[in-house]
Amino acid sequence: EAGVVQSPRYKIIEKKQPVAFWCNPISGHNTLYWYLQNLGQGPELLIRYENEEAVDDSQLPKDRFSAERLKGVDSTLKIQPAELGDSAVYLCASSPRTGGIHEQYFGPGTRLTVT
Amino acid sequence: DAKTTQPNSMESNEEEPVHLPCNHSTISGTDYIHWYRQLPSQGPEYVIHGLTSNVNNRMASLAIAEDRKSSTLILHRATLRDAAVYYCILHGYFNKFYFGSGTKLNVKP
Repeated sequence: EAGVVQSPRYKIIEKKQPVAFWCNPISGHNTLYWYLQNLGQGPELLIRYENEEAVDDSQLPKDRFSAERLKGVDSTLKIQPAELGDSAVYLCASSPRTGGIHEQYFGPGTRLTVT
Repeated sequence: DAKTTQPNSMESNEEEPVHLPCNHSTISGTDYIHWYRQLPSQGPEYVIHGLTSNVNNRMASLAIAEDRKSSTLILHRATLRDAAVYYCILHGYFNKFYFGSGTKLNVKP
């Protein structure tokens, strides 16, 4: 079974430029998460989808970050414009079914460097 | 969100058991205790979770205190591939999934 796929794996951009990350979850997983991980810290949840619906986006900085999950499968996270402080690893995870307590399966992440 | 407290780092010898502690004194009755680990340059990986009773799987064992205010992840025979950051997380219907900083485990050959 294929795991969570993320692309690109690495991205270097200049500040004020836009950037987008793509995630394809494990087949059949209804719940999808985007996390941000700064160096030396644990991941922090940005947004959680159940199917197409963003059920928790309270930690997403909506002035510059946006996300979508069309058709309830793959998802895109966008930053526009990027700032120096956005340099981090962006992780996508998925879990089976909606609600409840289920383990999450993580992708390898996208390492963003903003110069 | 309910928080957990873990040591910043621990060290173990290869092929010896490792006990990774976690304190969660503010745990609520509906919170599950999850453990994930993160190897260098990889996303976190699920290890084990439990509610009240001790749990075993192929990767590890989870020992939960009777009052549920602490738990211990047990790796029965540490290998070099177990060197990672281990996160203890409380997750319930009223809590977000909060990773914290975790415990960095170093395994010596």
